[in-house]
Amino acid sequence: AQSVTQLDSQVPVFEEAPVELRCNYSSSVSVYLFWYVQYPNQGLQLLLKYLSGSTLVESINGFEAEFNKSQTSFHLRKPSVHISDTAEYFCAVSGGNAGNMLTFGGGTRLMVKP
Amino acid sequence: ETGVTQTPRHLVMGMTNKKSLKCEQHLGHNAMYWYKQSAKKPLELMFVYSLEERVENNSVPSRFSPECPNSSHLFLHLHTLQPEDSALYLCASSQDWGPEQTQYFGPGTRLLVL
Repeated sequence: AQSVTQLDSQVPVFEEAPVELRCNYSSSVSVYLFWYVQYPNQGLQLLLKYLSGSTLVESINGFEAEFNKSQTSFHLRKPSVHISDTAEYFCAVSGGNAGNMLTFGGGTRLMVKP
Repeated sequence: ETGVTQTPRHLVMGMTNKKSLKCEQHLGHNAMYWYKQSAKKPLELMFVYSLEERVENNSVPSRFSPECPNSSHLFLHLHTLQPEDSALYLCASSQDWGPEQTQYFGPGTRLLVL
């Protein structure tokens, strides 16, 4: 079965500092990779996704993630965070052994402090 | 209304009650999903409907009964629930049922079973 590991359950960071949220997945075949964000009292929304092509994908609000096949990782980064980035971030994977199903990691709560 | 809506937003029910959760998507999508989000656990996929047919039933107890009367509406009928069923129930939709699809989530129904 597919699995996704987000090693950090919480990441506190000061405003304007860089941040990296880690994601590793288990699969020996090609997969699709996603990052979703959940703001308080809301559902999840897509931040970015990797389907194929360039291993570096970017979102419209300054986040980026790099697909690393050899390390089976898809870490999320932002060079300078804002208070408004405070949310829970979920890494997810589909394809491979899980077929069409989206398998989520446990989530990382990003807490941006002034 | 745009996107994916869910009603009610909050629900408190006793173990002997029967209630239903409603989801509606205004995106013209063909696939709809029910997820369970519990504290400290990854999102769990419960059911998937594609073109109004159930395509996934992820070992969910029979006290949860889904219904998809048309491509825009999805229901989750609840009866004789247990306190451990208390969670946030999220509905999502995507254009089609496939591993590369972006899922669009509603805000969820927060359920408390007493």
